[in-house]
Amino acid sequence: EVQLVQSGAEVKKPGESLKISCQGSGYRFTAYWIAWVRQMPGAGLDWMGTIYPGDSDTRYSPSFQGHVTISVDPSTNTAYLRWSSLKASDTAFYYCARVNFGDYGLDRWGQGTLVTVSS
Amino acid sequence: QSVLTQPPSVSGAPGQTVIISCTGNSSNIGAGYDVHWHQHLPGTAPKALIHGNNNRPSGVPERFSASKSGTSASLAISGLRAEDEANYYCQSYDSSLSDSVFGGGTQLTVL
Repeated sequence: EVQLVQSGAEVKKPGESLKISCQGSGYRFTAYWIAWVRQMPGAGLDWMGTIYPGDSDTRYSPSFQGHVTISVDPSTNTAYLRWSSLKASDTAFYYCARVNFGDYGLDRWGQGTLVTVSS
Repeated sequence: QSVLTQPPSVSGAPGQTVIISCTGNSSNIGAGYDVHWHQHLPGTAPKALIHGNNNRPSGVPERFSASKSGTSASLAISGLRAEDEANYYCQSYDSSLSDSVFGGGTQLTVL
């Protein structure tokens, strides 16, 4: 069974760094793009970017370029989303998802990681 | 403000059919890019409902169907059930943004 399992909820202070993870199983991890999606409180879904585990090709949405870093460790089937300096406005649920269809169609989602940034 | 516009909310009684629209433009839906639909209950993992305009992954009931025409797409849910109460998002690609985009989401209430 295809699964994406994300790391647990985090509570951080503004300015701190953070790295959350998304581990895939049940399929050839290096053959499918992984997307990251943000959901701020009370808001809809925002596309953050994608990474191809096969060669680490990474594409960022302009809104997130420079503020987050997407990376991958193919040896552990894990994708990461990292912040070097969190802001209160980063408080949100973050989801990873597998791209399996044309035009970035997603077929499996992780359960989400809640990131809370508060002083 | 998303480039894909959805109604904030729709509602229907059990057994009825509701339709959720997703309106784009010539840079996304109108350019021929596929439209995908996702179901999301807050606090849980979103679920892929429809991919490639009107293809249901295995396990998704036939009650869910979708279509696309011109610069718009729509998701139809027939035989409404209480368990269908959730948020629904359309997703497509936008060539002017060079990025995938989601609609703003539609909250479905089953009366």
